[in-house]
Amino acid sequence: SAVISQKPSRDICQRGTSLTIQCQVDSQVTMMFWYRQQPGQSLTLIATANQGSEATYESGFVIDKFPISRPNLTFSTLTVSNMSPEDSSIYLCSVALQGARQPQHFGDGTRLSIL
Amino acid sequence: GENVEQHPSTLSVQEGDSAVIKCTYSDSASNYFPWYKQELGKGPQLIIDIRSNVGEKKDQRIAVTLNKTAKHFSLHITETQPEDSAVYFCAASANTGNQFYFGTGTSLTVIP
Repeated sequence: SAVISQKPSRDICQRGTSLTIQCQVDSQVTMMFWYRQQPGQSLTLIATANQGSEATYESGFVIDKFPISRPNLTFSTLTVSNMSPEDSSIYLCSVALQGARQPQHFGDGTRLSIL
Repeated sequence: GENVEQHPSTLSVQEGDSAVIKCTYSDSASNYFPWYKQELGKGPQLIIDIRSNVGEKKDQRIAVTLNKTAKHFSLHITETQPEDSAVYFCAASANTGNQFYFGTGTSLTVIP
């Protein structure tokens, strides 16, 4: 398994501002994923972040709104830009281990509220 | 694309009873089916998974069954305990992609 640390664990932000969420893994992983989970709902994949290449975004998510960095095999960031109340959600980092292509392990998430 | 449906959305059982959660999927190419448990304030935790070449898998009190013909799979929890109370998500995935398609979740409450 892997230990995944996300920071911050929660935040309350003003409309129009941006917040960067950090995801740190205790081992090197090839694939990292960012998910959004709105309260009481299921998980929606935002993008897949691979080291050394640009992130791959899912339909409905764009790089200008959710820029992602992946500087090495243990770290990634997701920025939520120009936030509005609709961005209030839980943002989760996930990793795939041992050559797997799908997310297997999740961090505890960042609970974001926009006023 | 894949569509995963999960039932029921809420489930209450008495401690010691069994709980069953069912999921159906639409894409016949899906061949990997994990189950996650999400406790309040935590991220989803992988509890068991099954691949399409297996019909059933068991791990202590938890078992998963898969019917590829009917495109459905189920999570079975026996001898439930209060600490089993959580939201459970099923998911489906195909080797050709790296995305999980998650079900809508089942909130399980085990009543002491």
